[in-house]
Amino acid sequence: EAEVAQSPRYKITEKSQAVAFWCDPISGHATLYWYRQILGQGPELLVQFQDESVVDDSQLPKDRFSAERLKGVDSTLKIQPAELGDSAMYLCASSLAVGTGELFFGEGSRLTVL
Amino acid sequence: GNSVTQMEGPVTLSEEAFLTINCTYTATGYPSLFWYVQYPGEGLQLLLKATKADDKGSNKGFEATYRKETTSFHLEKGSVQVSDSAVYFCALLTTDSWGKFQFGAGTQVVVTP
Repeated sequence: EAEVAQSPRYKITEKSQAVAFWCDPISGHATLYWYRQILGQGPELLVQFQDESVVDDSQLPKDRFSAERLKGVDSTLKIQPAELGDSAMYLCASSLAVGTGELFFGEGSRLTVL
Repeated sequence: GNSVTQMEGPVTLSEEAFLTINCTYTATGYPSLFWYVQYPGEGLQLLLKATKADDKGSNKGFEATYRKETTSFHLEKGSVQVSDSAVYFCALLTTDSWGKFQFGAGTQVVVTP
């Protein structure tokens, strides 16, 4: 069964360092999402891609976060510099197309900032 | 704006008990509604969905009915198993051009033997 792949699963870093997360969506899925999930809360959208274009990054802290999906396939989310408040689970999800109604999630990347 | 409110957990119950998790929403237009489940150590996965008023979504013994008049989408299961222990998220999909998902905070369910 096709899955959304994410790496690394766990990342511990010190504040002010740079960190990057990678996501490979299910093949053929045009829409890719990055969510942040703080413990005890639901996922919050950081950025949404349609193919290689960003269609929603209104909640992305652009002073320190960046995301790209250069060839419309896999994607990278970067944080530089990391802050203590960035400790969270970073989830990647994909869907066949906007509005198809089902998101497929990866297992997530858990970030701890010390 | 759009929002989803679901009952706080943890909800602890015995095997074979009846489970209800309340979910209400606020949205413009006519969103689609979903329940996602997150088992320990795994990613979120779709449990069931409903795309219009009065639709009933069902899967794995779970059911939820889209109630437009009460803006609710409560999740129910008649007889839970230990394997149903997980965090359950209610979510809506907006009807704007890029279809944004809005998730609730999640409800942890613990089923004991």
